This record gives sequence, structure tokens and C-alpha cells, in this order.
Amino acid sequence: TQLLEQSPQFLSIQEGENLTVYCNSSSVFSSLQWYRQEPGEGPVLLVTVVTGGEVKKLKRLTFQFGDARKDSSLHITAAQPGDTGLYLCAGVMNRDDKIIFGKGTRLHILP
Amino acid sequence: DTGVSQDPRHKITKRGQNVTFRCDPISEHNRLYWYRQTLGQGPEFLTYFQNEAQLEKSRLLSDRFSAERPKGSFSTLEIQRTEQGDSAMYLCASSQTGWGTDTQYFGPGTRLTVL
Repeated sequence: TQLLEQSPQFLSIQEGENLTVYCNSSSVFSSLQWYRQEPGEGPVLLVTVVTGGEVKKLKRLTFQFGDARKDSSLHITAAQPGDTGLYLCAGVMNRDDKIIFGKGTRLHILP
Repeated sequence: DTGVSQDPRHKITKRGQNVTFRCDPISEHNRLYWYRQTLGQGPEFLTYFQNEAQLEKSRLLSDRFSAERPKGSFSTLEIQRTEQGDSAMYLCASSQTGWGTDTQYFGPGTRLTVL
């Protein structure tokens, strides 16, 4: 059973388009993190959201934590080829617990 | 200290051989985690340490796997009698408790190929 479901699994779009990636669960998380992973490298943390309803922006990336702290979304505006990569969401159920990862969304931005 | 480091970055071995990987965490971090990631999947938790104590082990960690963190700094992950199904990326991460959300910082991983 996958605790965190990410959708879509794969996404290939043209440069300049907007996109949204979703991360859903039936479980409540104390915090949720988004990572980006390049081939052959470890995941790199993009953002951590903690409060239900929280929205954080990182340049063209907007992250939102659901009100009930069960889901999250990542929206990219005007996607660029440099955004290509594997985007992973990861939830922490409490401060002392391990992180549960989703399977990731593999994003490919075509120039 | 520039981050979490792992050694080696790549390891190719024959089935039945033993392998050992090393992880050096960020120096002030007291927690160290091991994950395994196979193609098309997110990282799966294997085990973690707080200082030198191993606090939790996943059921994914069979008897052939052992991890140590003897002095509460670097850690080693050993796989005995490797099997082809052990082929994966092995990731290490570290964090410091008490800093809010327990953010984990990952190393570059060790890619294991078992022939």
C-alpha cells in the first residue's frame, strides 16, 4: 500500500506551459516536503510545508499544503527545460518519525 | 562541511559477494538514515540512527543487511551474500532533531549493481 500517491507519474510538456503535480494521502502528516532528484544523484529538498493551507513560493514554483494536511500540490509556471527531473513528495507523520516518500513525478520539459 | 557524502558512488559486484557502503553525514547532525531506491520508485526507508543508537529497522532490511554507526558520526551499510534483487541506489540522509521539521539532507547515493 502506497501511503503517498503522486500524480501524474510522467509528464512531458512544452517550454512555457504551466503544470501541476499532486500528492495525495488518506493519512495526516505533520509536515510535507518536496524534493527534486536528478539522475544518479540524491534528492534535493525544495520546500517544507507545515501548516494546513500553507502556500510557499520558490520563484516559478508554488507549493500548497492541503487544509487537512493530507495532500499537497506543486505548480510550476512557465516551465523551462531546467525544470526537468523527478519530483518527490515526502510526508512526516510526526517529528520523530521517518519520512514516507511517494513514487515521484518524472517531468520532462521540451525546448 | 559541504553536505552528506557517500562512498563509493558506484559498485558492481557478483552475486554472493559482500559489499560495504559508507556515509558521512553533515557534521553537526545527530540523525542518520539509510534508504533504498529502485528504478521508478521513491526512496524506501531502511533504518536510522540517533547518534550511535539504531532506533528503527524496516522489514525491508533482511538478515543479510547490517548497519552501524559506531561513534555517532559516519555509518556503514553492509550487504552479505548479495542477490540480484539488491541492485538499487542506496541513499543516506542526515538531520538534526530539535530544529523544527527534522529536514533530511541526502547524499548522492551509492548505485549497486549485482551481476
